[in-house]
Amino acid sequence: DTEVTQTPKHLVMGMTNKKSLKCEQHMGHRAMYWYKQKAKKPPELMFVYSYEKLSINESVPSRFSPECPNSSLLNLHLHALQPEDSALYLCASSQGTGGAWNIQYFGAGTRLSVL
Amino acid sequence: AQSVTQPDIHITVSEGASLELRCNYSYGATPYLFWYVQSPGQGLQLLLKYFSGDTLVQGIKGFEAEFKRSQSSFNLRKPSVHWSDAAEYFCAVVATGGGNKLTFGTGTQLKVEL
Repeated sequence: DTEVTQTPKHLVMGMTNKKSLKCEQHMGHRAMYWYKQKAKKPPELMFVYSYEKLSINESVPSRFSPECPNSSLLNLHLHALQPEDSALYLCASSQGTGGAWNIQYFGAGTRLSVL
Repeated sequence: AQSVTQPDIHITVSEGASLELRCNYSYGATPYLFWYVQSPGQGLQLLLKYFSGDTLVQGIKGFEAEFKRSQSSFNLRKPSVHWSDAAEYFCAVVATGGGNKLTFGTGTQLKVEL
């Protein structure tokens, strides 16, 4: 089973709202990732968690706040977003981050629209 | 820093025809290479990967890819394309060190004509 589950599938929010994206995996993976993908572009890395600790933040604005409550769950808290933040947000997981451990499996994504 | 180039932005093939999608990488050491497929509005699905050993790797859905070190290439092939193969295809590389980030190419959009 290589399933990564993301909820919700679609989200519409205003610029003053607070919302959260959720990602879950039960493969025993110890690394989890958030990516942002704009239309017709490749995914862009936002955050990496390794063993439940934030290991990479790709200079993401503070209106995006990641959280890893346990090794199976990854959240992305959203606050005061801008319309340009509208995108497909993808979660991924892998056994680890080093070399051959870094086989990433992706969820179906959350389509976010900011009005 | 590592990079991945997919020279073809769009490719159109007829159903039943063979397919080859090109991928070139730039990386000093032996890279870890991947091909992913993304259907519209969906996440990325791993088709196949290369780490070492046999340079011809088999993947899911009848895809294969060949690693050619001399050409810094990792081209994806399928002998007979099905209409359901229409999607965006991404080549990617993991560079050991530098955070072990997965670096994607810009993608190739495959259209299949019936």
